[in-house]
Amino acid sequence: EPEVTQTPSHQVTQMGQEVILRCVPISNHLYFYWYRQILGQKVEFLVSFYNNEISEKSEIFDDQFSVERPDGSNFTLKIRSTKLEDSAMYFCASQGTSITDTQYFGPGTRLTVL
Amino acid sequence: AQSVTQLDSQVPVFEEAPVELRCNYSSSVSVYLFWYVQYPNQGLQLLLKYTSAATLVKGINGFEAEFNKSQTSFHLRKPSVHISDTAEYFCAVIPLGGGADGLTFGKGTHLIIQP
Repeated sequence: EPEVTQTPSHQVTQMGQEVILRCVPISNHLYFYWYRQILGQKVEFLVSFYNNEISEKSEIFDDQFSVERPDGSNFTLKIRSTKLEDSAMYFCASQGTSITDTQYFGPGTRLTVL
Repeated sequence: AQSVTQLDSQVPVFEEAPVELRCNYSSSVSVYLFWYVQYPNQGLQLLLKYTSAATLVKGINGFEAEFNKSQTSFHLRKPSVHISDTAEYFCAVIPLGGGADGLTFGKGTHLIIQP
């Protein structure tokens, strides 16, 4: 069964450094999402992406964040200058050809900012 | 906007006993409802979803959930749990027409199965 993959599984970085989290969505899916889960808190929506552009973003997704689908298979989340409060589990999700299809989640990347 | 409340952060249950995990939601529009499960060190896996067909929805691993519009609830149930059901369970909603805003999740309920 096709699945969403994410790399790395765990990323440790120093405050102020840039990080890029990578996701490979299910092939032929058209809608892509990033969510995050701070330890002990709920999973929160960050951004949705369709047709090579951002569809919606939450207030969490400020100018430090960006997303890209550079080569038609990868979907990346970049944090330009990490802060301590960016430490969280980041989940990528992909969704088929309709906005009402199920979202399938990857295993997540645990980001630790020191 | 939507919100989801999972009142129980932890639910301990003995093996082979029944379990109910509670989920209530709030929304000004009709919604689709989902339950996702997260096993230790894994991603979120869809258990089941309600998309305005039958109010009783059956999912994987013997789980089912019932949509109750008047009580704005979507409680998850299993008649007999196993050790392997130990996991975090998340209830989530999205507006009926889909939504580029993504899913709105509850805080999760940790199901602990005791032998």
